[in-house]
Amino acid sequence: EPEVTQTPSHQVTQMGQEVILRCVPISNHLYFYWYRQILGQKVEFLVSFYNNEISEKSEIFDDQFSVERPDGSNFTLKIRSTKLEDSAMYFCARTQGGLAGLGGNEQFFGPGTRLTVL
Amino acid sequence: GNSVTQMEGPVTLSEEAFLTINCTYTATGYPSLFWYVQYPGEGLQLLLKATKADDKGSNKGFEATYRKETTSFHLEKGSVQVSDSAVYFCALSDLGGGADGLTFGKGTHLIIQP
Repeated sequence: EPEVTQTPSHQVTQMGQEVILRCVPISNHLYFYWYRQILGQKVEFLVSFYNNEISEKSEIFDDQFSVERPDGSNFTLKIRSTKLEDSAMYFCARTQGGLAGLGGNEQFFGPGTRLTVL
Repeated sequence: GNSVTQMEGPVTLSEEAFLTINCTYTATGYPSLFWYVQYPGEGLQLLLKATKADDKGSNKGFEATYRKETTSFHLEKGSVQVSDSAVYFCALSDLGGGADGLTFGKGTHLIIQP
């Protein structure tokens, strides 16, 4: 069973452009997460989203980033003005039910979107 | 803050060899611990987990034991296969520390040669 799907699989953009990455959960989950993985580096937490609000965000998640669930289904990550250093794999994840960590409630990841900023 | 430290890779082994990938952590609360695997060109897949001290997570011949006294969660497999070649990430979730995102290690690239 695919946990989540992400579109596009690969996005190429020019520096300074806006990009929107999309995550489509299979069912109506409440908790969503975005992570990024710069090539060859570790996976880094960006933001968590619960019940249509940001629950927590990391230092990486600055004013250039925003998340929303515009139609109650798709979960999007927007980068307002991309920089070269935004080039990375971006992963969406969700939990089965509650927050990750509650009873070992693991996170299930999508296949990722590879963002290349030129 | 929270952190996860993994042994540096790449780790290259022959098929049927014994595997250990070390993972240690620091956490402000009482974390749950996870191992994720990333096969070439794919996303992250949960391999196994443990939620409390002395728990042993296991899956596909891999296992790891939550050691609170040594703050470790080392991944082991008795006999590796070529298909195990992937990047392995140790991770923790520490709600008690106020963080609901996962904290990952840098990953260990495992290469199994026939």
